Amino acid sequence: GAVVSQHPSWVICKSGTSVKIECRSLDFQATTMFWYRQFPKQSLMLMATSNEGSKATYEQGVEKDKFLINHASLTLSTLTVTSAHPEDSSFYICSARDLPELPYGYTFGSGTRLTVV
Amino acid sequence: KNEVEQSPQNLTAQEGEFITINCSYSVGISALHWLQQHPGGGIVSLFMLSSGKKKHGRLIATINIQEKHSSLHITASHPRDSAVYICAVRRAPYGGSQGNLIFGKGTKLSVKP
Repeated sequence: GAVVSQHPSWVICKSGTSVKIECRSLDFQATTMFWYRQFPKQSLMLMATSNEGSKATYEQGVEKDKFLINHASLTLSTLTVTSAHPEDSSFYICSARDLPELPYGYTFGSGTRLTVV
Repeated sequence: KNEVEQSPQNLTAQEGEFITINCSYSVGISALHWLQQHPGGGIVSLFMLSSGKKKHGRLIATINIQEKHSSLHITASHPRDSAVYICAVRRAPYGGSQGNLIFGKGTKLSVKP
């Protein structure tokens, strides 16, 4: 079935630095990728939706200049957390629609645990 | 009130028990998903439902569109079933929102040997 590879699985960075998270669709073309953040004991919260070749759509309250999303190809989407701060520490996970049209399902990456110190 | 509510929040069972996790939603949907999140965080899609019932191995998912309710059942539970089970819905109509999901808070299941 459809697989999304997400890297890195965990990262520790210093406050003020930037971190890039990659999601690759391995055996299908991911025209749409969703990026989520999950705090401990909370549900997944959608941060942004990206479509290949166009600008991402950010959810209310998510700073687009802080969370840069690039979806330059049909198999790769990246999320860059710029000037990271401790409050950005969280679990980030991507999800792709496995078909361009209905009845698409969703395939999730394995997630990235970010710790900012 | 959350648009997707799950119950119970936590569930402890003995190996072999029959388990039911419930999900209620308050919006019109085009599909409902059951997801499994392992302790490491990775998420696996178990079922996508728009009506009726689906079965995969020891897992059974049902949905009642009129009552806006879905259940996930696990028969003959096993410690390896221990995970967080998440209900998520995709809003209707299809043409909205690019298909993003609305998630419940999850049910943490622990199956003891």
